[in-house]
Amino acid sequence: SQTIHQWPATLVQPVGSPLSLECTVEGTSNPNLYWYRQAAGRGLQLLFYSVGIGQISSEVPQNLSASRPQDRQFILSSKKLLLSDSGFYLCAWRVGNEQFFGPGTRLTVL
Amino acid sequence: QKEVEQDPGPLSVPEGAIVSLNCTYSNSAFQYFMWYRQYSRKGPELLMYTYSSGNKEDGRFTAQVDKSSKYISLFIRDSQPSDSATYLCAMTGGFKTIFGAGTRLFVKA
Repeated sequence: SQTIHQWPATLVQPVGSPLSLECTVEGTSNPNLYWYRQAAGRGLQLLFYSVGIGQISSEVPQNLSASRPQDRQFILSSKKLLLSDSGFYLCAWRVGNEQFFGPGTRLTVL
Repeated sequence: QKEVEQDPGPLSVPEGAIVSLNCTYSNSAFQYFMWYRQYSRKGPELLMYTYSSGNKEDGRFTAQVDKSSKYISLFIRDSQPSDSATYLCAMTGGFKTIFGAGTRLFVKA
């Protein structure tokens, strides 16, 4: 069966510090991968998606970036975090029309 | 106008009640409709998946889609305290999935 991992589970970072969140998928090959952010009381905002290694599409202009160095690895990064980057970050993969989510990373920027 | 509208609640019901959760949408291109359940501090989990108009039942859960009205519903029968969570509707007609903001449900024992 397919499994999606995210780490770390929680993170507290100062403003201006860098960020690296990692997502890996098991049990599938060439998945479509997604990064979402969920702010408190709000819906899921699509940040990036990837259809293959090195292929990244950005949905929202921001100071975040994404990379896909391997087929089943998706990384979310920032060089300098802002207060507004706080939120719950979710990685997801899609099979057909169904999306499956990882456990999420809760990021607090102070 | 948002593509998907969902009442954020919270919705509080007694144990055993029938719960009705709803979403409206504006894009007639949506063909696939989903409901996710999200417990606090966890990732959303896929609960129900339906294609086009009609009903789909799975245990205590029934998903209903009315494409003519652009309206989808999730019914929970015999609600349990363990059903307390945020429920997100979602829909897609292509590569991207659009999510509602979620409805918080509390089922009181």
